[in-house]
Amino acid sequence: DQQVKQNSPSLSVQEGRISILNCDYTNSMFDYFLWYKKYPAEGPTFLISISSIKDKNEDGRFTVFLNKSAKHLSLHIVPSQPGDSAVYFCAASRGDYGGSQGNLIFGKGTKLSVKP
Amino acid sequence: DAGVTQSPTHLIKTRGQQVTLRCSPKSGHDTVSWYQQALGQGPQFIFQYYEEEERQRGNFPDRFSGHQFPNYSSELNVNALLLGDSALYLCASSPVGGNTIYFGEGSWLTVV
Repeated sequence: DQQVKQNSPSLSVQEGRISILNCDYTNSMFDYFLWYKKYPAEGPTFLISISSIKDKNEDGRFTVFLNKSAKHLSLHIVPSQPGDSAVYFCAASRGDYGGSQGNLIFGKGTKLSVKP
Repeated sequence: DAGVTQSPTHLIKTRGQQVTLRCSPKSGHDTVSWYQQALGQGPQFIFQYYEEEERQRGNFPDRFSGHQFPNYSSELNVNALLLGDSALYLCASSPVGGNTIYFGEGSWLTVV
């Protein structure tokens, strides 16, 4: 039973437009959410995160939105650039250990292609 | 500032053998986790070490074991390798009280 789902295996976007990557979760105990970007043959690179006490977090071209009632989060990339082409993973966790992160539960990833 | 470093980067083992993978966490980080990523899947949590003890464990058999040393570095050991153990093994580190987990480049294990 997948607790974190990324239902779109792939997404293609034109350079300069907005990319929207979606993620759904089932466990209401999750209180911290992260997005990672992964290039082939490399480890995941941390992109942006959001705590469950917020509904939006922004960092440059990247914005993450959290809708707790719908158990849904999304990552917006504006404007999209060809260098953003990668696999994007959504991950969730529960902060059980004195505020430190518990283990991350990952989705299967969405492959983003940004075309020039 | 070095990030999370892992060794070896690639290795090939025969079914039934044993393998040891190594990880040095990012400077200032004391918590180390290991993940397995099969092709086309997201990383799956194996276990987490803090203060040289296993603090959490995912749904992996006892063939998977680990260790954390006083300098916070860690090893992942897999015994009696199966073909299905072929995957990218990722080490991740985080600071105590911190919310962000950083990953290394991974170790590609192929079991033949």
